[in-house]
Amino acid sequence: DIQMTQSPSSLSASVGDRVTITCRASQSISSYLNWYQQKPGKAPKLLIYTTSNLQSGVPSRFSGSGSGTDFTLTISSLQPEDFATYYCQQTYNTPRTFGQGTKVEIK
Amino acid sequence: EVQLVESGGGLVQPGGSLRLSCAASGFSFSSYEMNWVRQAPGKGLEWVSYISSRSSNIYYADSVKGRFTISRDNAKNSLYLQMNSLRAEDTAVYYCAREAGGNSIDYWGQGTLVTVSS
Repeated sequence: DIQMTQSPSSLSASVGDRVTITCRASQSISSYLNWYQQKPGKAPKLLIYTTSNLQSGVPSRFSGSGSGTDFTLTISSLQPEDFATYYCQQTYNTPRTFGQGTKVEIK
Repeated sequence: EVQLVESGGGLVQPGGSLRLSCAASGFSFSSYEMNWVRQAPGKGLEWVSYISSRSSNIYYADSVKGRFTISRDNAKNSLYLQMNSLRAEDTAVYYCAREAGGNSIDYWGQGTLVTVSS
């Protein structure tokens, strides 16, 4: 199985900050990497699919990059509604593993 | 509007069974692959199972293989998860999820809570 490791596990940031979350795969997954945002008590929401494609309706301050085993989610200017937990997921093969999550908290 | 509505969750004893259902609407259900994803209380997301649009390909997480069965009825726009031999570690919110570009999940249901406890 492909293991997905996110870092950091949590971070504290202020509104307006640039935030970067990384996701590393235990083997190459080409560009089959997706990012989700989840708020407490809610279902996850798709932000980015296949590494860098912005899901419809998602603000352009979210962006994704990477290839192979190393991937990044960047929030260019953190907004109050962005405080949440973020998950990466590989869909290169099954099982379609998720990272352990990164909780973004208010500083 | 795309909607996925799960039902069938509840409290069950260890070793028991439950059948989850997901009613889909607002899109051509028979054209989409579907998944079940779960989340234990206070924990991260865990992919559980996948079924292709015509049920020709089915995959499971090792943690549920041999105990859970995914199925669908395209005529009824419904997805199912039959869960047998339930364990305490199966306690989670179970989400029905539609697959989209790059095998990502673009729509999720609201989730149904399964609690396995004596």
